[in-house]
Amino acid sequence: DIQMTQSPSSLSASVGDRVTITCRASQSISTYLSWFQQRPGKAPKLLISSASTLESGVPSRFSGSGSGTDFTLTINSLQPEDSATFYCLQSYIKPITFGQGTRLEI
Amino acid sequence: EVQLVESGGGLAQPGRSLRLSCATSGFTFDDYAMHWVRQAPGKGLEWVSGISWNSGGIYYADSVKGRTTISRDNAKNSLFLQMNSLRVEDTALYYCIRERSPSVTGSHMDVWGKGTMVIVSS
Repeated sequence: DIQMTQSPSSLSASVGDRVTITCRASQSISTYLSWFQQRPGKAPKLLISSASTLESGVPSRFSGSGSGTDFTLTINSLQPEDSATFYCLQSYIKPITFGQGTRLEI
Repeated sequence: EVQLVESGGGLAQPGRSLRLSCATSGFTFDDYAMHWVRQAPGKGLEWVSGISWNSGGIYYADSVKGRTTISRDNAKNSLFLQMNSLRVEDTALYYCIRERSPSVTGSHMDVWGKGTMVIVSS
């Protein structure tokens, strides 16, 4: 199975900051990488697919990049509502696997 | 409005069975693959299973393979997860998810239900 490792596990930032979350795959997954946001008590929400394609309705302050084994989720100009846990997911090979999550506190 | 509503969760003893259901509305169900993903209390997300639009492609996580069967009824716009030989470690919130593709790719899991809670305990 492909292991997905996110870093950091948690971080704290302020409104207006820029943060970067990293996801590393245990083998190359091309750009078969998605990012999800899960606010407390809510279901996850798809933010980005194919490593860098922003889902409709997702604010443009979110962006994704990377290919192969290393990927990043960047959030510019942090807003209070961005407090959440973020997960990466690889869909290159089944079983589909998630990263362990990164908790972002604003 | 696209909706996914899970049901069937509850308390079960180890070794027993549960059948989860997901009622869908607001979209053409048989155009889409579907998934189950679970989340143990306070833990991360774990993909459980996926099924293609016509049930021709079915996949399971190793942790549930052999004990779990995913199925769908396109006439009733419903998804199911039959879980047998339940273990304590199956305790989790189980989400039903639509994938924006007829095939199980995992690349566009775009609509999630609110989940149904399964607790396995003696």
